[in-house]
Amino acid sequence: QVQLQESGPGLVKPSETLSLTCAVSGYSISSGYYWGWIRQPPGKGLEWIGSIYHSGSTYYNPSLKSRVTISVDTSKNQFSLKLSSVTAADTAVYYCASIYSSSWYRYFDYWGQGTLVTVSS
Amino acid sequence: EIVLTQSPGTLSLSPGERATLSCRASQSVSSSYLAWYQQKPGQAPRLLIYGASSRATGIPDRFSGSGSGTDFTLTISRLEPEDFAVYYCQQYGSSPLFGGGTKVEIK
Repeated sequence: QVQLQESGPGLVKPSETLSLTCAVSGYSISSGYYWGWIRQPPGKGLEWIGSIYHSGSTYYNPSLKSRVTISVDTSKNQFSLKLSSVTAADTAVYYCASIYSSSWYRYFDYWGQGTLVTVSS
Repeated sequence: EIVLTQSPGTLSLSPGERATLSCRASQSVSSSYLAWYQQKPGQAPRLLIYGASSRATGIPDRFSGSGSGTDFTLTISRLEPEDFAVYYCQQYGSSPLFGGGTKVEIK
């Protein structure tokens, strides 16, 4: 079974870059699958940030595209999120997830536990 | 841009009752790419239903999904105490999108 674990600073200053890593266990990223980041502001709903294929192809939420970079490191079996020029509106729990994709279906199947990132000076 | 609208916002029911949750899309979406998730406080979302009607591994058969086009439904046939949570629908098109959620609370 795939397991995911987010890590990174819990506090980021306004205008700086938020950086998170998702370590994957139970599956080799280089074998395939898509991988994604989703966030959830406190007390609010879920927002897709972006996705990456093991080959490195990326897909970003248009509303965040100018500030987001997602990358994969197959040697460490992990993928990462960078969100630049953060503001208080970027305060959220950030989840990483695996994405099942086939000719018929596509959905987020396994999720990390989430990590709260607060943007504050 | 597709919008997913979930209703009601909150559903107040008693254990043993039937819950019917709605997810309406602003334009037709592929049933293959429609999923439902359950989220409990302090936890990550958990996949319940994919392809609009297929239960994920380990999900009890009291959960069922149906619908096509713009109207989708998640039904919980008999609510168990552990089912009180927030439920999200999600479509995986070119830009994955979640609905706003329905909270199922104990009446």
